[in-house]
Amino acid sequence: NAGVTQTPKFQVLKTGQSMTLQCAQDMNHEYMSWYRQDPGMGLRLIHYSVGAGITDQGEVPNGYNVSRSTTEDFPLRLLSAAPSQTSVYFCASSYTPDPNTGELFFGEGSRLTVL
Amino acid sequence: GQNIDQPTEMTATEGAIVQINCTYQTSGFNGLFWYQQHAGEAPTFLSYNVLDGLEEKGRFSSFLSRSKGYSYLLLKELQMKDSASYLCAVTDSGYALNFGKGTSLLVTP
Repeated sequence: NAGVTQTPKFQVLKTGQSMTLQCAQDMNHEYMSWYRQDPGMGLRLIHYSVGAGITDQGEVPNGYNVSRSTTEDFPLRLLSAAPSQTSVYFCASSYTPDPNTGELFFGEGSRLTVL
Repeated sequence: GQNIDQPTEMTATEGAIVQINCTYQTSGFNGLFWYQQHAGEAPTFLSYNVLDGLEEKGRFSSFLSRSKGYSYLLLKELQMKDSASYLCAVTDSGYALNFGKGTSLLVTP
């Protein structure tokens, strides 16, 4: 059972480049989310989805797009990378559509550096 | 919006007991979570409180007072492997789980 799988684990981008961070889960979880983690800032929610075809913004959505065409996949797109987007990104999922009632399962993280 | 406060750092001795506090202000409340995160790794779930009182799970316990907007995580019989960051997270009336900045715990011999 793979759980939550993120790719790539490491990526270096130049300012202005675009890229997609992939997230896939094989637990048939309804809820999926993306966080970024920066030193001294904790985990901050970027976008989340309560099911296929449904997405919503979190605390820091600017500069990021998401889509949820299948239950399994929740990719995060950086449209035009900026140095401020240098961070560690975590994808997380929950078996319940409501994260209020179920624990989050996290992927191993993707470390992104924007030069 | 939400405001979640935790101490930044704590140090404790192996074998001792440590209490990590979390205070929160939120427009609605649907539950409080504690997660553990070792350096360079992903967070992992520790506990969930939705009603007032103490939830015990082995060496770890978590307490919640909704009227005071207060929770704590109690770690007993500390071990070196407990050195990690401990993240408090609360949910409001929506579907977003928001985290505090975390408390870095160092366990010393």
